[in-house]
Amino acid sequence: NAGVTQTPKFRVLKTGQSMTLLCAQDMNHEYMYWYRQDPGMGLRLIHYSVGEGTTAKGEVPDGYNVSRLKKQNFLLGLESAAPSQTSVYFCASTQTSPFYNEQFFGPGTRLTVL
Amino acid sequence: GENVEQHPSTLSVQEGDSAVIKCTYSDSASNYFPWYKQELGKRPQLIIDIRSNVGEKKDQRIAVTLNKTAKHFSLHITETQPEDSAVYFCAEEAGSYQLTFGKGTKLSVIP
Repeated sequence: NAGVTQTPKFRVLKTGQSMTLLCAQDMNHEYMYWYRQDPGMGLRLIHYSVGEGTTAKGEVPDGYNVSRLKKQNFLLGLESAAPSQTSVYFCASTQTSPFYNEQFFGPGTRLTVL
Repeated sequence: GENVEQHPSTLSVQEGDSAVIKCTYSDSASNYFPWYKQELGKRPQLIIDIRSNVGEKKDQRIAVTLNKTAKHFSLHITETQPEDSAVYFCAEEAGSYQLTFGKGTKLSVIP
């Protein structure tokens, strides 16, 4: 099993450009998440999904959109990138069990917006 | 909303000494408290977790304690080794499968 994978690993954008980050998991997890990680700020939730076809806003959703067309994939879109979106983005997934809550993280995508 | 305070932000210990990281939370409905370790340039990985019906949990050199009355929980690492050097994040969940993370503690173990 590959676990959680993310594409791409690195990306440099100019202000105003758009891009999509792809997250894929092969663990048949229902819940998927997108976080951003900035120095000294920990991990902050952008959007999440509780199942195929569903999405919901997290703590810092502005400037991002998401889609979950297939259970194994969760896409994060930036329609018009801004320098404030320079960050490391992590995707995660978890199975929904009252006894098992571990979130499995992908390797991250380092995004720089110039 | 949920809030998790984590202290200290940086911690340096001599190899072999113990390290303690503390977190406080505000949501009384919180019932799950994981700790993640993130090595430089890597993804966060779960190292230990505890549920609200348990006061303490141990796994070899790592332990977590929970005080629900005071709304705080702590990570204890004994006999620290250089490979314990990393950033550690606490988190809490109030039953919705959403984690709220602390801002992290950078632990440096000095050989």
